[in-house]
Amino acid sequence: DAGVTQSPTHLIKTRGQQVTLRCSPISGHKSVSWYQQVLGQGPQFIFQYYEKEERGRGNFPDRFSARQFPNYSSELNVNALLLGDSALYLCASSFGGRGTEAFFGQGTRLTVV
Amino acid sequence: GQQVMQIPQYQHVQEGEDFTTYCNSSTTLSNIQWYKQRPGGHPVFLIQLVKSGEVKKQKRLTFQFGEAKKNSSLHITATQTTDVGTYFCAETGNQFYFGTGTSLTVIP
Repeated sequence: DAGVTQSPTHLIKTRGQQVTLRCSPISGHKSVSWYQQVLGQGPQFIFQYYEKEERGRGNFPDRFSARQFPNYSSELNVNALLLGDSALYLCASSFGGRGTEAFFGQGTRLTVV
Repeated sequence: GQQVMQIPQYQHVQEGEDFTTYCNSSTTLSNIQWYKQRPGGHPVFLIQLVKSGEVKKQKRLTFQFGEAKKNSSLHITATQTTDVGTYFCAETGNQFYFGTGTSLTVIP
């Protein structure tokens, strides 16, 4: 079985640009969450979607948005990129929402220059 | 938002020594999960604790959930070089709030 897949694996963008990151959950999983992990820190929660509806939002500016599609895949969009947005962006899928095991993808390494 | 603190931030041990990381919250946790992240990798689920005072074991790993559900610990007995990585606790209500992590280095 395929695990959580994220694309692209690496990305370099210029300040002010926009970026879209993609995530395909494990088959049968209906929940997708997004995290930002800066080097040396724990993952910071950005969004959770369950059954295509936003279930939670972390403390991130409105430049960050996401959506979940009918096939449960998800996209994370970041507008007006800042140098501080450089990080590993992790997607995790789970069968349900509250209190279920999360399976993480390998992440997308975003570098903003 | 939720804040879950972990101590220590870093730990270096000789292979064969024991290791413990502690996770503390100022508020009651609905449940807690533990993840391991190898250098350059992604977090991998280890275990979930739900009940007050719960203790679970996985081979050399022992996980505890405090009676007040405000703290948790992970203890590794007789560390091995394969235990290297960062261990995170995470509070899992409607969202996941990860702790600050403990980075474990095992010296052969």
